[in-house]
Amino acid sequence: AQTVTQSQPEMSVQEAETVTLSCTYDTSENNYYLFWYKQPPSRQMILVIRQEAYKQQNATENRFSVNFQKAAKSFSLKISDSQLGDTAMYFCAFMKHGDYGGSQGNLIFGKGTKLSVKP
Amino acid sequence: GAGVSQSPRYKVAKRGQDVALRCDPISGHVSLFWYQQALGQGPEFLTYFQNEAQLDKSGLPSDRFFAERPEGSVSTLKIQRTQQEDSAVYLCASSLSFRDSFSYNEQFFGPGTRLTVL
Repeated sequence: AQTVTQSQPEMSVQEAETVTLSCTYDTSENNYYLFWYKQPPSRQMILVIRQEAYKQQNATENRFSVNFQKAAKSFSLKISDSQLGDTAMYFCAFMKHGDYGGSQGNLIFGKGTKLSVKP
Repeated sequence: GAGVSQSPRYKVAKRGQDVALRCDPISGHVSLFWYQQALGQGPEFLTYFQNEAQLDKSGLPSDRFFAERPEGSVSTLKIQRTQQEDSAVYLCASSLSFRDSFSYNEQFFGPGTRLTVL
């Protein structure tokens, strides 16, 4: 069974600074996806960034980037130039590849990290 | 529609009552997922539909939980004889492709229904 662990229940950062959220996971699978989702207060979950395990290059999306260490089973999220709108719960999630190489579907989430960006 | 919608947004039930939670996925999305998010936890998978077929219900916590998607679009999650431990946010997500497709397709989440059982 796969597990996802986020060891930081809460973090805070000053506006315009950089913050890194940690995530580790456990799996015996070789092919999988890893995700970071953002859940603002009382708003729906949205995808921040996705990483495919077979890709060595770390994914980036504007101010968001990941540090993917497959051997260590580590997947951290770096947010640069933090903005007030980044305040939210952040969830790390895992998804197995399906039999045909695409998405297997079920997401397995960590418990989340509550990020507060302070002005 | 523009996104996944869920109704009601909030539901308060007395213990023992039956409740029905509705999910309207994005038009044309084949896959539909239900997740349960307890307070302070990450979402946990409940069940999966591919069109009208319920292909995976391994996450349903008890036989009091029942889900359907009769016409392959709107889905309803029903909880019978609600218990306090059922209090949670119930999230619905939809995706364009089949679960075991050749490519990845993003799951889009609805805003959730917050169920409180007194």
